[in-house]
Amino acid sequence: EIVLTQSPGTLSLSPGERATLSCRASQSVSSDYLAWYQQKPGPAPRLLIYGASSRASGIPDRFSGSGSGTDFTLTITRLEPEDFAVYYCQYYGSSVLTFGGGTKVEIK
Amino acid sequence: QVQLVQSGAEVKQPGASVKVSCKASGDTFSDYHMNWVRQAPGQGLEWMGFINPNTGGTHYAQKFQGRVTMTRDTSISTAFMDLSSLKSDDTAVYYCARWGESSSSPYIKAFDIWGQGTMVTVSS
Repeated sequence: EIVLTQSPGTLSLSPGERATLSCRASQSVSSDYLAWYQQKPGPAPRLLIYGASSRASGIPDRFSGSGSGTDFTLTITRLEPEDFAVYYCQYYGSSVLTFGGGTKVEIK
Repeated sequence: QVQLVQSGAEVKQPGASVKVSCKASGDTFSDYHMNWVRQAPGQGLEWMGFINPNTGGTHYAQKFQGRVTMTRDTSISTAFMDLSSLKSDDTAVYYCARWGESSSSPYIKAFDIWGQGTMVTVSS
């Protein structure tokens, strides 16, 4: 079973700064099935990125995804106040779906 | 606008069962696999499995096999998740989430639409 490890656990940044979030898979995975979600306290998660690098509908272009194989990255180029949240990566393969443990992006 | 609307919060005793519903509107219910994901208080996301509304076929995460049953009623565009033999560590918010990949739209291999969540509390 694929294990996704996200780092860092918490990222303390100021509005306007760049955020770089990492998601590492325990073995090589297909980029087609790698996604990123944002979750704020209360509501359900929201899809940001699918296929490792495609932005979902309505997602601002300050969010971007990249990577392949075992290493994937979510980048937020300039943090807006509404971007402070928890971010999860997710992979589906061999009939098993797994989430990473999440990275919390907090205001410094 | 596609929406998933879930049933309300539940409080159950240990050993009981809970059934959560998820009603879809705004799109073809049978075209997309419906998944269930849960989140314990202060914890991350945990996938439970999915149902193919078209065929009724299911696939469950190994952890929940034998305890979870996913069904659907296509006449009312609603999916159901039944979890039995509840324990205190089943206390969580339960989400239904649509897998965005379909025969007509094969690109979004992720959860593109989520329900609002249903809080299930297991306590004596």
